[in-house]
Amino acid sequence: EIVLTQSPGTLSLSPGERATLSCRASQSVSSSYLAWYRQKPGQAPRLLIYDASTRATGIPDRFSGSGSGTDFTLTISRLEPEDFAVYYCQQYGSSITFGQGTRLEIK
Amino acid sequence: EVQLLESGGGLVQPGGSLRLSCAASGFTFSNYAMSWVRQAPGKGLEWVSVMSGSSGVTYYADSVEGRFTISRDNSKNTLYLQMNNLRAEDTAVYYCTQRNPETSRWFPSSFANWGQGILVTVSS
Repeated sequence: EIVLTQSPGTLSLSPGERATLSCRASQSVSSSYLAWYRQKPGQAPRLLIYDASTRATGIPDRFSGSGSGTDFTLTISRLEPEDFAVYYCQQYGSSITFGQGTRLEIK
Repeated sequence: EVQLLESGGGLVQPGGSLRLSCAASGFTFSNYAMSWVRQAPGKGLEWVSVMSGSSGVTYYADSVEGRFTISRDNSKNTLYLQMNNLRAEDTAVYYCTQRNPETSRWFPSSFANWGQGILVTVSS
């Protein structure tokens, strides 16, 4: 099983700032089959990025994904109020596993 | 617009059974693999099971293999999860999900659409 470790656990930033979230895999994720989700309190997760760097339908361009192999990054260029939530990475190169999440909170 | 609506959750005693349903609309249901993903209270996400669109192929997480059964009725656009021999650690919100239509592989995949989730509580 591929274990995904997200860092930091909590990130405190202000609206308008840039956020960088990390997801590290215990072994290489084939074909960069990695996705990112945002989950607001009391809501279902929403797909942001798939295949490591492709934005899902309707996702604004302030969200970008990068990385390959075992190291992946989600960048939010300018934080909006609705971006303060929990973010999960997911690999689907070998079965499916999720990271434990990064909480993005208002500073 | 894709809509996924779960039902059938509730409180059940350890060792008991429950069947979840997910009514789908807004897309050609039989064309897409569907999964269940769960989230224990205050915890992260865990993939549970997947069923292919029309070939009947299923896969399960080790944690539920032999206790849970996924099925679907394409004539009713409905996905099911039969949960038997439930344990306290099965307590979670269960989400019905549609695989990402932008990708060619049916499984594994990312999940483009999610239901609102249904709570299952296993407790005496």
